[in-house]
Amino acid sequence: DAKTTQPNSMESNEEEPVHLPCNHSTISGTDYIHWYRQLPSQGPEYVIHGLTSNVNNRMASLAIAEDRKSSTLILHRATLRDAAVYYCILRDNFGNEKLTFGTGTRLTIIP
Amino acid sequence: KAGVTQTPRYLIKTRGQQVTLSCSPISGHRSVSWYQQTPGQGLQFLFEYFSETQRNKGNFPGRFSGRQFSNSRSEMNVSTLELGDSALYLCASSRLPGPMNTEAFFGQGTRLTVV
Repeated sequence: DAKTTQPNSMESNEEEPVHLPCNHSTISGTDYIHWYRQLPSQGPEYVIHGLTSNVNNRMASLAIAEDRKSSTLILHRATLRDAAVYYCILRDNFGNEKLTFGTGTRLTIIP
Repeated sequence: KAGVTQTPRYLIKTRGQQVTLSCSPISGHRSVSWYQQTPGQGLQFLFEYFSETQRNKGNFPGRFSGRQFSNSRSEMNVSTLELGDSALYLCASSRLPGPMNTEAFFGQGTRLTVV
C-alpha cells in the first residue's frame, strides 16, 4: 500500500482557516486521496476525497498538487468541533474497501 | 437513516475466552469492514465482507475471524483472547464495493478489555 506522511499534531485558533498537509510521494495513477477524521470517542468520519482536481464540499476543501505527490485539507473556519485526528489515506480505484490509516494529525483548536 | 450499529459497546473478557462482536450496517449497504484500533498500532484493517464472502483480509492471526449474513449484518469472533487483543473494534459499512464507491461509514465501536 502506498504510504502517506502527515505531521503528528497541529494547532489552530478558532474561526481561522486550517491547512492540514499530507505527503504521498509513492501515489499511483489510480489512487484516490481520501481524508477521514476521528473525533474523541467516535469512529472515523469521512471528510472528502479527490483524484486530480481540487474538491470542495460542505465540510472542507481538498487541494491536490499538480504532481499528486502531496495534498492539503483545508478547513475554512475552524470551530472547536473540528478538534480531531485527521487521516490522509490513499485508496485504489479497483473496489478495494481496505483503508490503510497512518498515524494522522491531531488537530487542536484554541478558543 | 440509522447509522452503523455495533453491539455491545463495552465488553470485559478473561484471557483464553472467546468473544463475538456484532455489526449492523446502514440499510442498503452490502459491504462491511472491520478494524482494530489500539494506542500502539493505531487503526488496522482486519477484514472485509461483501455478499457473505470475505474479500480482503488484514495481517492478523487466525484467532480473528468473521462472517456476514444474508441481511449484510456481520460478526467478528476472536478466540483464545490475549491481553494484547484489548482494543476498540470498529465496523464500517459501504454501499457497494467498486470504483464508484466513495465513503465508508463507521460505527462507534466496541471497546474490548481483556483481563
